[in-house]
Amino acid sequence: AQSVAQPEDQVNVAEGNPLTVKCTYSVSGNPYLFWYVQYPNRGLQFLLKYITGDNLVKGSYGFEAEFNKSQTSFHLKKPSALVSDSALYFCAVSPPGDSWGKFQFGAGTQVVVTP
Amino acid sequence: EAEVAQSPRYKITEKSQAVAFWCDPISGHATLYWYRQILGQGPELLVQFQDESVVDDSQLPKDRFSAERLKGVDSTLKIQPAELGDSAMYLCASSEGARPTDTQYFGPGTRLTVL
Repeated sequence: AQSVAQPEDQVNVAEGNPLTVKCTYSVSGNPYLFWYVQYPNRGLQFLLKYITGDNLVKGSYGFEAEFNKSQTSFHLKKPSALVSDSALYFCAVSPPGDSWGKFQFGAGTQVVVTP
Repeated sequence: EAEVAQSPRYKITEKSQAVAFWCDPISGHATLYWYRQILGQGPELLVQFQDESVVDDSQLPKDRFSAERLKGVDSTLKIQPAELGDSAMYLCASSEGARPTDTQYFGPGTRLTVL
């Protein structure tokens, strides 16, 4: 069975500093990985996904993520964080094969960016 | 930009009452999902439709929850009777298809409070 872990409940960073949100996964075969962001009382907004190819994926709002197969990780990064990036971030894995696109979400990481 | 619509945004009800949530997916999206998100956790799939057919309802508490997508477009999720433990955010998502690489786009959610 597939699973995804976000080892940090909260990440604190000062505005202008680099932001990293960690995600590790466990799945049989080559995974498809997604990042979403959620603002208070809102739905999830899609940021980026890894399907195949280049290990560095660029997404919305200046975010990027690096797929590392040997470490089974897909960490989300932003070179310079903004206060407006404060939100809840979710990593999700979609296993390959005939799984009807069933996503498994991590528990989420709260990002707090201070001015 | 097309969005997933949900209503109501907030619902307060007493236990043992019936509640219903509505979702209108992005036009042309064949696959529709209902998720439940408990505060502080990632979304968990309740039911998945491909057009008007249910393809996965393994996590749907069928004694009290029901879902339909009669014409393969919009969908309704019902709870009868509601219980205190049903308090959560109910999210609807849609995707073009059910391939594991398809991005799921989420609506704003319905926040349910059961008193």
